[in-house]
Amino acid sequence: QKEVEQDPGPLSVPEGAIVSLNCTYSNSAFQYFMWYRQYSRKGPELLMYTYSSGNKEDGRFTAQVDKSSKYISLFIRDSQPSDSATYLCGITGGGNKLTFGTGTQLKVEL
Amino acid sequence: KAGVTQTPRYLIKTRGQQVTLSCSPISGHRSVSWYQQTPGQGLQFLFEYFSETQRNKGNFPGRFSGRQFSNSRSEMNVSTLELGDSALYLCASSLEVATDTQYFGPGTRLTVL
Repeated sequence: QKEVEQDPGPLSVPEGAIVSLNCTYSNSAFQYFMWYRQYSRKGPELLMYTYSSGNKEDGRFTAQVDKSSKYISLFIRDSQPSDSATYLCGITGGGNKLTFGTGTQLKVEL
Repeated sequence: KAGVTQTPRYLIKTRGQQVTLSCSPISGHRSVSWYQQTPGQGLQFLFEYFSETQRNKGNFPGRFSGRQFSNSRSEMNVSTLELGDSALYLCASSLEVATDTQYFGPGTRLTVL
């Protein structure tokens, strides 16, 4: 079993939809949770960083962490074609070693 | 502020050769981490350097090595290249503390023929 599991998709939604992206993890020592967006042929770009259970909102993006269930989510409201990318969850126990999910490929269609 | 830069952006090598990739972190960042990204395995941690010392290491063979210079710039080296080493190699820099945000460069795409 991988330490971090993420549905690879692809996920296709119409413009304006709410998107839910999810990861589960197995290591209780994981404390810091990040979501990155990666466009084709580019490096990952940090979207959200959180370390406590609950919700954190930034514009159209909301990161949700449930440490008791070892489950994290990223919600995208009012999705746009420019949101089409691969979304990666990255988790760490505090060292600079991020463990990533495999990434979910998202396509937002007009 | 300039972002993380990586050179070269693309490389083609043949099996058995060796390769050196370079990473310049964001100004003021002292930690540099390297990751390998492949379609099958996703993003996997290679190693992290801080103050010219390897601080963390992933599960890769000894053919993969790295170093960091006094100006925080880092290089990674892969010796005796194998076909399976074809991947996007990403460098990420962060300030200092382990929980600081990591910022990624655009990567070096290595193709081994």
